[in-house]
Amino acid sequence: EAQVTQNPRYLITVTGKKLTVTCSQNMNHEYMSWYRQDPGLGLRQIYYSMNVEVTDKGDVPEGYKVSRKEKRNFPLILESPSPNQTSLYFCASSSLAGGVTDTQYFGPGTRLTVL
Amino acid sequence: AQKITQTQPGMFVQEKEAVTLDCTYDTSDPSYGLFWYKQPSSGEMIFLIYQGSYDQQNATEGRYSLNFQKARKSANLVISASQLGDSAMYFCAMREGRVNTGFQKLVFGTGTRLLVSP
Repeated sequence: EAQVTQNPRYLITVTGKKLTVTCSQNMNHEYMSWYRQDPGLGLRQIYYSMNVEVTDKGDVPEGYKVSRKEKRNFPLILESPSPNQTSLYFCASSSLAGGVTDTQYFGPGTRLTVL
Repeated sequence: AQKITQTQPGMFVQEKEAVTLDCTYDTSDPSYGLFWYKQPSSGEMIFLIYQGSYDQQNATEGRYSLNFQKARKSANLVISASQLGDSAMYFCAMREGRVNTGFQKLVFGTGTRLLVSP
């Protein structure tokens, strides 16, 4: 089954404790992206990757890091989480073959609470 | 300026009736794509329907259709014969076609919560 998986689905942590949210896709997609969703703001892009070893900042990259060492994986790293990073996080992936027509498929989401 | 505007925070509809969820967009790029996603209470984002800026006909997917009015820059989602399972948050999103960094980025509206009553 074609899918994007994220782990963990739920995480409660404390300020300053480094954490990683994993994302994996089995569709051989070149493009992967992280979004955060906050009430009243919709989804905003954090980081994206066009291919292995190619990453770039989205609209709200402060406080986050990413890496793309393998095509299927795109982990999101919070080196020193703060309460304002409490949010619902989505990983998404898409092909790059069709340009604007390529649909982005989303993972199930990770609900993060930073105390 | 907002790139995607959804002016209806909430909508109510009775089962089996049709409902239209509004979406207007702002872009100067001639090439763009418009997407609708559904987010049920469980939280996942489910792709519903896509419309390309050059598509001549309105997109349809089962009970979902997209009322695309290019001159008005609107891309409203029409759900026919609403079902209880349609109760969810609905997001309109746009991807612009510029071939530069980030051109794959989806820009989302703030969403419309739809409640379908029996």
